[in-house]
Amino acid sequence: DAGVIQSPRHEVTEMGQEVTLRCKPISGHDYLFWYRQTMMRGLELLIYFNNNVPIDDSGMPEDRFSAKMPNASFSTLKIQPSEPRDSAVYFCASSPDSIHSGNTIYFGEGSWLTVV
Amino acid sequence: AQTVTQSQPEMSVQEAETVTLSCTYDTSESDYYLFWYKQPPSRQMILVIRQEAYKQQNATENRFSVNFQKAAKSFSLKISDSQLGDAAMYFCAYRSGVGTGANSKLTFGKGITLSVRP
Repeated sequence: DAGVIQSPRHEVTEMGQEVTLRCKPISGHDYLFWYRQTMMRGLELLIYFNNNVPIDDSGMPEDRFSAKMPNASFSTLKIQPSEPRDSAVYFCASSPDSIHSGNTIYFGEGSWLTVV
Repeated sequence: AQTVTQSQPEMSVQEAETVTLSCTYDTSESDYYLFWYKQPPSRQMILVIRQEAYKQQNATENRFSVNFQKAAKSFSLKISDSQLGDAAMYFCAYRSGVGTGANSKLTFGKGITLSVRP
């Protein structure tokens, strides 16, 4: 069974450019999460979806960040315009319904973003 | 709101020895799940072990086991027969078991870096 798939794995972009990170969750999972990891702030939850609907986006840093989940098998996290302080590892994760299946959240391999 | 605390930033263990990583959490809920994730230098987040709060028995996965003390809100990870491949950052995490929707996020501690000496 395929895990959470993220792309690109690595991206280097110039300040001001638009960045789009993509995620395919595990089939059948109802929840999708976007986390960001930096040395300074650790792991931060940016936003999560339940059945394609955004539930909590309070972690999205500012209007430059947006996330969509047009269907159950695809989500994007977009940064426009990008800034050097956005450099981080961005993780997508998914889980089945929180009442069942042990509540385990499975992570993708992460997208390493560097903004120069 | 729930919080997870990992007060030790770093630990070191000799290969083949046993090491215990500490984690405490704060919650007013009675139904929840606790996790340990491993993050090697590749940065991938790998699930190590999971504990359901309603279970009294401590979870075990091969060389990994937990000491879950619900009253003390403590959830430590024991690694037996440590191997060089165990060197990584380890994160303790909490997830509510109450309902769906707004309670579904995973709350992480700051992590602990484990090094293994050959």
